[in-house]
Amino acid sequence: DQQVKQNSPSLSVQEGRISILNCDYTNSMFDYFLWYKKYPAEGPTFLISISSIKDKNEDGRFTVFLNKSAKHLSLHIVPSQPGDSAVYFCAAKYSGNTGKLIFGQGTTLQVKP
Amino acid sequence: DTEVTQTPKHLVMGMTNKKSLKCEQHMGHRAMYWYKQKAKKPPELMFVYSYEKLSINESVPSRFSPECPNSSLLNLHLHALQPEDSALYLCASSQFRVTEAFFGQGTRLTVV
Repeated sequence: DQQVKQNSPSLSVQEGRISILNCDYTNSMFDYFLWYKKYPAEGPTFLISISSIKDKNEDGRFTVFLNKSAKHLSLHIVPSQPGDSAVYFCAAKYSGNTGKLIFGQGTTLQVKP
Repeated sequence: DTEVTQTPKHLVMGMTNKKSLKCEQHMGHRAMYWYKQKAKKPPELMFVYSYEKLSINESVPSRFSPECPNSSLLNLHLHALQPEDSALYLCASSQFRVTEAFFGQGTRLTVV
């Protein structure tokens, strides 16, 4: 039973264009969502997060949108750069303070020069 | 300093060996985690320590034994592992009650 789903295993975009990575979740008890970027043989690097009480959070080229009614969030990267090529994981946290994160399967982003 | 340091980076061990993975952070975080990641899969939580006490054990087999000697250090003791335990083991830390977890680079473990 996958509670956090990233249905697109891969995405390819041209440098300078927008990358949109999507994530769906099923559990209404999630209260915080995060995006991580991961290069091969490295640990995930935190990118951006959003609380369930917000619908948008922006940090430089990265913006995360949350649609609670649809149980959907997305990460927008504008403009995309070749260095953004990596695996992107969506993660969700249960309400409460366990700190436990549930990760999606990941989307491999390739940004072509 | 937002670094979580894990050693060793790579480890090959036999099924009868005993080894330990180490993790260190100096961010003053009071929650530390062990995650396991198999190839082409997402990280999966194994253990959570909060204020040096084990707060979550995700039904991990006893051949994995975590230890938190102090607020900066987290160990994972390994004994009698199986080849299917081969994976990337990730340590992470976060402020208790704040959710952004910072991950180390991981230890690539191969059990032969």
